[in-house]
This record gives sequence, C-alpha cells and structure tokens, in this order.
Amino acid sequence: DAKTTQPTSMDCAEGRAANLPCNHSTISGNEYVYWYRQIHSQGPQYIIHGLKNNETNEMASLIITEDRKSSTLILPHATLRDTAVYYCIVRVIYNQGGKLIFGQGTELSVKP
Amino acid sequence: EAQVTQNPRYLITVTGKKLTVTCSQNMNHEYMSWYRQDPGLGLRQIYYSMNVEVTDKGDVPEGYKVSRKEKRNFPLILESPSPNQTSLYFCASSSGQNTYYGYTFGSGTRLTVV
Repeated sequence: DAKTTQPTSMDCAEGRAANLPCNHSTISGNEYVYWYRQIHSQGPQYIIHGLKNNETNEMASLIITEDRKSSTLILPHATLRDTAVYYCIVRVIYNQGGKLIFGQGTELSVKP
Repeated sequence: EAQVTQNPRYLITVTGKKLTVTCSQNMNHEYMSWYRQDPGLGLRQIYYSMNVEVTDKGDVPEGYKVSRKEKRNFPLILESPSPNQTSLYFCASSSGQNTYYGYTFGSGTRLTVV
C-alpha cells in the first residue's frame, strides 16, 4: 500500500470549511484513498473514500487530483465536534488481512 | 444501533495474570480484527478473522491469542500479559475484509499491565 504524507496539525475556525490535504505520490492504479478520523482516543470513524472521482457524503467531500497523487478532505462547515486526528489511508481494495495502515494523521483543531 | 462493543473499557492488571478482552458486533459482519495503538507507532493490526473458525496473524501477534467460535464475537486473549502490552486496543468489523464501505471500530480498551 502506498505511503501518505499529511501535515501534523491544522487549525480551522468554527463554521468555516476545513480543507485537509494528503499527498500519496506513489499511489497505484488499483489503490483507493480512504479517510478516517479519531476523536480523542475513541475508535477510528470511517469518513469517506474514493478512487479517482470526487466523492461527497453527509460528512465530507473528497477531492482527488487528476494524477491521483494528492487529495483533499473537505469538511464544509466545521464544528467543535470535528476536532480530531484525521487519517488519510491508501490501500488496495483486496489486501491480505484487510488491514488499514494508519500514519500519524493530521490533528485538526476547530476553534470558536 | 449498529455497533462494535468492547469490554472492559479500562483494565489494570498485573504481569502474568491471564485476561480476555471481549469484542462483539451486532451487524452480522464476517470480518473482524484487533488493533493496538501506541504513541508514535499509530495503530497496528494484531489479528484478524475472515469468518467463524478462520483467524490469522496481523503485524504484531506475539503475546496474543484470538478465537472466533461465533460470528458476532472475537475475543482477544493475553495468556501472560507483560508491561509492553500496555496499550489502547480496538476491535473492528466489516462485512468483508475488503469492504467497500469502511470498518466499524469499537470504543477501545485501555489496558495497563504493571
């Protein structure tokens, strides 16, 4: 599975959009981009995933560049409850053991 | 409510005293997995199970055992805990090991071995 690079931390004002970048320059054609978040030592929570098209669900939007070497998770109207560590994970759909490889993630602080 | 339930949430034990951390899911998921989380090391997979009676090692299986006698339960067993197993543990489940829709994690078990 390809490696990802994320900023260590970011701040965002409450009510504004939070844009979290992720670099995955070695991504392969059969690898998906997944985003999870972890709120204060709770279990990680699945947010969204995509292959090459932009994706949107009730939680967030995922923008993947055309060359697929980077992506951005967008929380359109961040709230204080979105303060968490956000993990960008690249993996093939079919991997032995189905494991997720979590990096260090981005610690997002949403401030009033 | 669809969920993965771990028990206990917190546990302090002594070296060498066998313990079991339970994990149960109510979503009829086939795939279940255990992770541990340590500062600076992130989350690492301990064991996984693709279905009843089918289990396999993850990246850090030493010192742990698992069993999968029923679809809903996947207990983690520490036969002789040691201080280096002090960690935050998470159980996860999904409809398949290669699920398209992401995994559901439990709330975690914080284990301290003294």
